[in-house]
Amino acid sequence: DGGITQSPKYLFRKEGQNVTLSCEQNLNHDAMYWYRQDPGQGLRLIYYSQIVNDFQKGDIAEGYSVSREKKESFPLTVTSAQKNPTAFYLCASRRLVQDSSNEKLFFGSGTQLSVL
Amino acid sequence: QKEVEQDPGPLSVPEGAIVSLNCTYSNSAFQYFMWYRQYSRKGPELLMYTYSSGNKEDGRFTAQVDKSSKYISLFIRDSQPSDSATYLCAMTLSGGYNKLIFGAGTRLAVHP
Repeated sequence: DGGITQSPKYLFRKEGQNVTLSCEQNLNHDAMYWYRQDPGQGLRLIYYSQIVNDFQKGDIAEGYSVSREKKESFPLTVTSAQKNPTAFYLCASRRLVQDSSNEKLFFGSGTQLSVL
Repeated sequence: QKEVEQDPGPLSVPEGAIVSLNCTYSNSAFQYFMWYRQYSRKGPELLMYTYSSGNKEDGRFTAQVDKSSKYISLFIRDSQPSDSATYLCAMTLSGGYNKLIFGAGTRLAVHP
């Protein structure tokens, strides 16, 4: 089945620790995105990548880092610099086209990160 | 002011009711409008997708876009307990490289 796989489903971080959230897609989508979701605040964009080996900061990139070494994979590292990391993290992907249309965005099932 | 405003609710309705969910936005250049449904601790799933103004119907769901008022709506007819979820509106500019802007989401509870 084609889709977006996020792992782990639950993750715990200790003080001063970096943790990495995995996101893999087999949809052959060009663009991948990381969102953070806090209760009552909707989705906020952390980072996105439209092509391999390139990525852009979103609205709340501080304390996070990403890489895009393969088209299928877009891991997110939550660094110790992120002082309030507890949130639900969502990975998404979509095709990109250069015409005026807009391809649909598909989401993974999310990772809940909590601080110990 | 946020680009997209959405009442977070919660909205509680009896089974069988007609539900109206709404978003307003400030950027008149938005062209694509979406509604996502998100069950608790799951990823959002695309429910409705519309381009520009007008209505779109899919089963019990109808999406409306009024660009003159910068207002979009999602109607759910004959609501079911399984419709209990958070509904997120999203919108974007024309052109495939633009980011989606999301509303905060409205939590809906349909009770038997």
